[in-house]
Parts: sequence; C-alpha cells; structure tokens
Amino acid sequence: GQNIDQPTEMTATEGAIVQINCTYQTSGFNGLFWYQQHAGEAPTFLSYNVLDGLEEKGRFSSFLSRSKGYSYLLLKELQMKDSASYLCAVRGNSGYSTLTFGKGTMLLVSP
Amino acid sequence: DAGVTQSPTHLIKTRGQQVTLRCSPKSGHDTVSWYQQALGQGPQFIFQYYEEEERQRGNFPDRFSGHQFPNYSSELNVNALLLGDSALYLCASSTGNRHSPLHFGNGTRLTVT
Repeated sequence: GQNIDQPTEMTATEGAIVQINCTYQTSGFNGLFWYQQHAGEAPTFLSYNVLDGLEEKGRFSSFLSRSKGYSYLLLKELQMKDSASYLCAVRGNSGYSTLTFGKGTMLLVSP
Repeated sequence: DAGVTQSPTHLIKTRGQQVTLRCSPKSGHDTVSWYQQALGQGPQFIFQYYEEEERQRGNFPDRFSGHQFPNYSSELNVNALLLGDSALYLCASSTGNRHSPLHFGNGTRLTVT
C-alpha cells in the first residue's frame, strides 16, 4: 500500500518563500507529482520528479529524495493567488498512470 | 484544445437512488481515471479505464461501476447511494504513459440527502 503525509495547513506572507514537505511510504515508486487545487476547482499539475534532485519551474521548485521517501515543493515570491491546497501524489509500480494522493496542504498567503 | 470536461457540475440525489456522471477526456488521451474527493481530503482513486476495460480499481464497493466508450469518454455509475457518497467526483485523463501527469476535469459535486 501507499502512505503519504503532508502538513494540513501552512501560512505565509506575500513575497515570502514557503516549503511544503511530503513524506511517503510505498510498495513501489514510479514518480512523485505535485498538484495545486483552488477551492471548488480541479487539481492542476505543477511538477514531476522521478529521479533524486531539484526540478525548477519558474517560481515553483520540487525536490525528491527516494532513499528518504521525501519530497518538498518550494514556492518563491508568494502571491495572494497562491492561496490553495497543494497535493502530493505518488505513482506506484503497477505500470499504469494511477496516482495515490496525500490529504493536501492548505496554504494561506496573507498581505 | 478542450481539456477534460465533466457533466453535470452539480447534482443532488436522495439515499438509495442511482447516479451517472460523465467525462470526456482531453484530446489525445486514451486513459480515464475516476477519483472521489471528500471535503478537506485528497482525491481517492476509484478506478481506471483503458481500451474500454477496467484496468485497475481502488478500494471502493461494487456499487461503483463504470464504462468507457470507443471515443474514450467515460461514465461513472453509483447505485444505492449513501449519505457518505456525497463528495466531489473528479475525472482525470492521461496518455497511459507512466511518466505523464493526470489532467483533471472540474468535477461533479454530488450531494446525497
């Protein structure tokens, strides 16, 4: 089975940097995804890591350590519109595209 | 290029009734997955369809069933609705490549009273 843990809530100030952590325990691993979900909307894809290291995409970066079962999403130069839930998801080794999601981290950005 | 579309957007049903939700995948995608998302929780995997067959299933009872059509669109059926089935039902499509991300629709909000 899969177990994915991430903090329930985080708060940060506009313009700051925030790091959202995710730890996972899985029977197999074929990649880790981060999604952003605004209230009442669909999750939207942010980043994908399958090898150890840092992936950077604009203001967003994601890091993976497979040996530690650990990932983080780094958001820089926070904007009010970044207030959303951030979902960590792991793809197992079934060979299919199925993802197992964590419960999500609700990020509130204040002025 | 249309993304994943779902219908209806909202639905209210009574306990014991049956419901059908519909999904059209993103153009070029042949795999459709369904997820249930309760308030304040992450999406929970229901099942995945590929080539009109259920390829993988999560921990959901047989009351949850589905179908995929030759044009890759899909339906999710839930029988004998329970209050606990109230949730946001998300459809996601992909190419089936294990490295490709899932693309989600805006979901159907189901309320069971």
